Amino acid sequence: NAGVTQTPKFQVLKTGQSMTLQCAQDMNHNSMYWYRQDPGMGLRLIYYSASEGTTDKGEVPNGYNVSRLNKREFSLRLESAAPSQTSVYFCASSKTVYEQYFGPGTRLTVT
Amino acid sequence: QKEVEQDPGPLSVPEGAIVSLNCTYSNSAFQYFMWYRQYSRKGPELLMYTYSSGNKEDGRFTAQVDKSSKYISLFIRDSQPSDSATYLCATTSGTYKYIFGTGTRLKVLA
Repeated sequence: NAGVTQTPKFQVLKTGQSMTLQCAQDMNHNSMYWYRQDPGMGLRLIYYSASEGTTDKGEVPNGYNVSRLNKREFSLRLESAAPSQTSVYFCASSKTVYEQYFGPGTRLTVT
Repeated sequence: QKEVEQDPGPLSVPEGAIVSLNCTYSNSAFQYFMWYRQYSRKGPELLMYTYSSGNKEDGRFTAQVDKSSKYISLFIRDSQPSDSATYLCATTSGTYKYIFGTGTRLKVLA
């Protein structure tokens, strides 16, 4: 039981490049989330998916797109990376409203 | 004003001390209150949650919510060096949209 896995662990992009962050969970959870964590800002929700086939914007969705490929997988895409998107990205999943399970994170630097 | 405010620390205490970590929130609609622990370069993990007001105890950890003053607390008794981490409070009104505090960095000195 791996929980929530994320790939890649680290990535360096140049401004304007695109990339997709992958997330998968093996806990049969309906809900999945993408957060970014920045110093002094805490965890901020980018997008979430309450169930397979649905997605909704969170607090900071601009510059990102998501795909809920199936119940297990939820990907985050940066179409044209900007330095302001340098951050640590966490994927999470949940079955209940009070507990979210987080992946190990992806450290992204945009130069 | 942020919906959840948390002192970023760092907070340094000697081993065995009682640690008090706190958050304040502004929205009366919040019903669930969670504490997550995050070790360096790892994802957050749930420590405890409470629903509405009151206390909840789990081993050395006690979570407390005072809805009248919109105050959330986490107490750690007999703190250990392994408790050194960042502690994040989080809350929700009952939807899956959480609001997280910025986290308090705790260091327990051996």
